[in-house]
Parts: sequence; C-alpha cells; structure tokens
Amino acid sequence: EVQLVESGGGLVQPGGSLRLSCAASGFTFSSYWMSWVRQAPGKGLEWVANIKQDGSEKYYVDSVKGRFTISRDNAKNSLYLQMNSLRAEDTAVYYCARDLPPYGGNSYFDYWGQGTLVTVSS
Amino acid sequence: EIVLTQSPGTLSLSPGERATLSCRASQSVGSSYLGWYQQKPGQAPRLLIYGASSRATGIPDRFSGSASGTGFTLAISRLEPEDFAVYYCQQYVTSPFTFGQGTKLEIK
Repeated sequence: EVQLVESGGGLVQPGGSLRLSCAASGFTFSSYWMSWVRQAPGKGLEWVANIKQDGSEKYYVDSVKGRFTISRDNAKNSLYLQMNSLRAEDTAVYYCARDLPPYGGNSYFDYWGQGTLVTVSS
Repeated sequence: EIVLTQSPGTLSLSPGERATLSCRASQSVGSSYLGWYQQKPGQAPRLLIYGASSRATGIPDRFSGSASGTGFTLAISRLEPEDFAVYYCQQYVTSPFTFGQGTKLEIK
C-alpha cells in the first residue's frame, strides 16, 4: 500500500524557516518524480514544487522561488521542503504527492499524504 | 501561467441526480493534460480522472470526464451520498501545474 506521511509543520514567525519531511513507503520511491502541493485555509490547491527521480531537476511556482528548496533522499525514501523567509501567505496545509507519469514534465498526482499545517504568524 | 475557471462555484443536487461540472482553461492544455480531484473536509484530494477522460484506479464508472476545445467536463451519472465534496480540475500541460478554484457539490 502506498503511503506518504508528512511531518515538520508548526507555528513559525514571519521571516523564519521550517523544514518539512515526507516519508514514503509501499512503492519504489526512486522511480517517481515527487511534488509538494499546498492549500491555504478554506482555499484551493496550489502546486509548489517538484523534483526528478535523481534530484537533478527541480521546478517551483514563482511565489516560492528563491525561498523554498525541494530535495530528496532516495536511500531514506524521503522528500523534503526547506522553507525560508516565510510569509503570512505561506500559511497552508502542505501535501506531499506522487507525480505521474514517471517520465516527468507533465505531472498529475495519484497519491497524496494527509498533509502538515504550516502557520506563519507573529 | 494557465488559469483554470470552474463552474458553477456551488452545485446543489439530490442523491440519484446527475452532476455536470465544468472547467475552462485560459489557453490550450491539449486534449488530455487535464485531471480531476475530489476532496472531502479534512482529507487530502483524491485523483478521479487523468488524461481528461481516464478513470484512476478504483474510481467508480459513474464518474466520467470529457474534453471539448479548452473546456472540460466531469460528470457524475447518479449521485451517491459519498459524492458530495469539492471537486478540482488541474492542468499539467506545462509548469506551473495549476488547479481550478473548485466546485462544491452539496446536498439539496
């Protein structure tokens, strides 16, 4: 059974940093692109970033470029999102998701974690 | 970036009725780079449809998707109580991959 479990969310002050993790199991993690998708409270879905199987390609939505960094550790079956210079508008539930198709470039998401809440507030 | 506009914002129907949800793109996403997701309160989204019309694994055949130009439709043939939720479309022809604002399907 495919499982994605996020952790690392919490309350952080504006300008602060946070690192999210996503532990994957039930599939060959190193064979898939992976993404982070967020959802502000009461709002819709926003794709944030994705990363290629070997970490050699990474893409971001403009609003987080230069502040967020996606990474992965295939030996640990884990995906990460380092978030710096956080703003109030980054407040959201952050979901880890598996991309399809495996060749990347055109990603939809077949499995999602349950999400972790990040709150940016003073 | 490609903007997806979903309509209606809220759809009120009764169990057993047919639901038709629309998604229109600001520019071409091809005929197949469109997915649909269902989200219930407090839950993660669930993939329903990919490639505009292919059902994801385990999705009942009462859910169907279609495409016409820059417009896409999700149809639910006979609503079950568990179908009342928020539905999002998503384009994946180009990054950034964008979602529509959602259609809330509520019980009438």
